[in-house]
Amino acid sequence: GAVVSQHPSWVICKSGTSVKIECRSLDFQATTMFWYRQFPKQSLMLMATSNEGSKATYEQGVEKDKFLINHASLTLSTLTVTSAHPEDSSFYICSPLLSEDEQYFGPGTRLTVT
Amino acid sequence: SQKIEQNSEALNIQEGKTATLTCNYTNYSPAYLQWYRQDPGRGPVFLLLIRENEKEKRKERLKVTFDTTLKQSLFHITASQPADSATYLCALRTGGFKTIFGAGTRLFVKA
Repeated sequence: GAVVSQHPSWVICKSGTSVKIECRSLDFQATTMFWYRQFPKQSLMLMATSNEGSKATYEQGVEKDKFLINHASLTLSTLTVTSAHPEDSSFYICSPLLSEDEQYFGPGTRLTVT
Repeated sequence: SQKIEQNSEALNIQEGKTATLTCNYTNYSPAYLQWYRQDPGRGPVFLLLIRENEKEKRKERLKVTFDTTLKQSLFHITASQPADSATYLCALRTGGFKTIFGAGTRLFVKA
């Protein structure tokens, strides 16, 4: 299967600061990247879809100015949580689209905002 | 409204038995349905995909059925092992390749 990495794997930040999460596809190129978040004991919720070189499309209820997505290359996408608040504490997971049938997920980044 | 429901939050079974997990959906017309495994603190791992024109798919000890009339999928793990203990997620692939997940069922296999 495809290899996807995320960095950092966990991060603790203070309220009001910004955090950047990186997602890399290590052995393939992905034109499309999905970003999900998962609250404890809940399912993954799609936040946004990004295509390399263009602006991301956000799901309803997700603030685009708060969750900045950059998909500058076919192997790297970043999610920046700006002015983080405790309610943004969650598990963030990226998922590059490999093909119509195959979707792989990164190992996730645990964000805790204090 | 669109919903994906997995039958129970948790399922406890004895080692060696068959685990059966249920996924029901409403107001979707998915091209296909997927099952994933998720361990605590990790991202989901793809297990099986079944298309709308397929009734059943197997992979080793795993079997998935898909009934588009009932809008239901069943996921079976035969000869279950404690290592199968995890959360299993049902997911639908919609237009634009978006994958929408159910809440998951936590499976506990007791030795």
